[in-house]
Order: sequence, then C-alpha cells, then structure tokens
Amino acid sequence: KAGVTQTPRYLIKTRGQQVTLSCSPISGHRSVSWYQQTPGQGLQFLFEYFSETQRNKGNFPGRFSGRQFSNSRSEMNVSTLELGDSALYLCASSLGEGSPQHFGDGTRLSIL
Amino acid sequence: AQTVTQSQPEMSVQEAETVTLSCTYDTSESDYYLFWYKQPPSRQMILVIRQEAYKQQNATENRFSVNFQKAAKSFSLKISDSQLGDAAMYFCAYNKGAGNMLTFGGGTRLMVKP
Repeated sequence: KAGVTQTPRYLIKTRGQQVTLSCSPISGHRSVSWYQQTPGQGLQFLFEYFSETQRNKGNFPGRFSGRQFSNSRSEMNVSTLELGDSALYLCASSLGEGSPQHFGDGTRLSIL
Repeated sequence: AQTVTQSQPEMSVQEAETVTLSCTYDTSESDYYLFWYKQPPSRQMILVIRQEAYKQQNATENRFSVNFQKAAKSFSLKISDSQLGDAAMYFCAYNKGAGNMLTFGGGTRLMVKP
C-alpha cells in the first residue's frame, strides 16, 4: 500500500508570493491533516479535512487555507508569503478519530 | 487548551541499554489518545506506539513500551535494547478524539552511543 505522498519535496519562494502544496493520502483514508514544523515553534496543527469538509482548524492566520477533493487528496495554500512561513509542512492521513496518523515526507518551504 | 510537555530536550543511551523518555500532558477530557512518534533525520514522522486513555493496560510494541499514568497525566516511553537506528527526535502527541488534531510536545532528541 502506498504511503502518504507530498509534493513538491522542496520549494523556494520570495516574500509576497503564494504557494500550493499537495498531499495524497493512503488509499481509503478520508481524514487529512496538515502541520507546520519549525525549530522555534515545533509542530503546530494547521487544519484537518474529512470528506471534503474542514473539521478542525489551528491558530493560523487566514493566509493559510486548504481544501480536500472527492478522492481525499488535499491541497494547502499560503498567500502573501512571509519569511516566518519558512518551515517543513507535514501532511498526515488516517482512517478516523483516534486512529494513528500516517505522515508524508513533508514539503520544505523556504522563503527568501 | 491541551498542552504536552517533554522535559528532556536531549537524551543519550548506550547501545543495548534501556532508556525512558518522559511526557506529561494537561487535559480535562476523560477519553483521549496518546502517541509517540519518531522522526529520524530523513524527517518522516513514524508512529512508535499508541495508547487509548480508557485502557489501563500499557501499550507495547516489541522493544517499545509505555508507562501510562492517567491520574498523573504522564505518558513515558521506554526503549529496551537500544539500537543505533533508534537515534531520532521523539515526539509525544495527544488527540482528544474529536477529529484527528494532534497536539505535540517539543520533542526529545535521542542519541545512541555504540
């Protein structure tokens, strides 16, 4: 069974630009969550999608948004990029509440 | 809001010995889930072990076991017969069960000495 696939693995952008990250969950998993990992703030929850609906949202500004498609694939968008958005963005999928989440390799986003 | 605390930023252990990583959490919920994840330098987060709060029995997975003390809100991870491949960042995580949002601790970097 294929794992969680995140694309791209690396991304370099400049301030003010926008970016879209993609996540394909494990087949059969309907829940997709996104996390931001930085040395200073650690791992922080961004949002969770389940059956195309946002079920939970973390404490991030509105520049961070996401969506989920009918095939459970998810995208995350960040607009008006700031230097502080430089981070590893991790996507995780799971079967349901309380089930283990399976993580992808992440997208390393660098803002110049 | 729930918080998860890992008080040991760094730990080291001799190969083949046993090490225990600490984790405490704060919650007012009675039913929830706790996890330990491992993140090697390759950066992929790997599930180590999962504990359901309503189960009193401590979870075990091969060389990995937990000491779950619900009243004390403590969830420590014991690694027996440590191997070089165990070297990684270890994160304790909490899920209250309403959805799949994980709250992570700050992590413990484990070094394994040959």
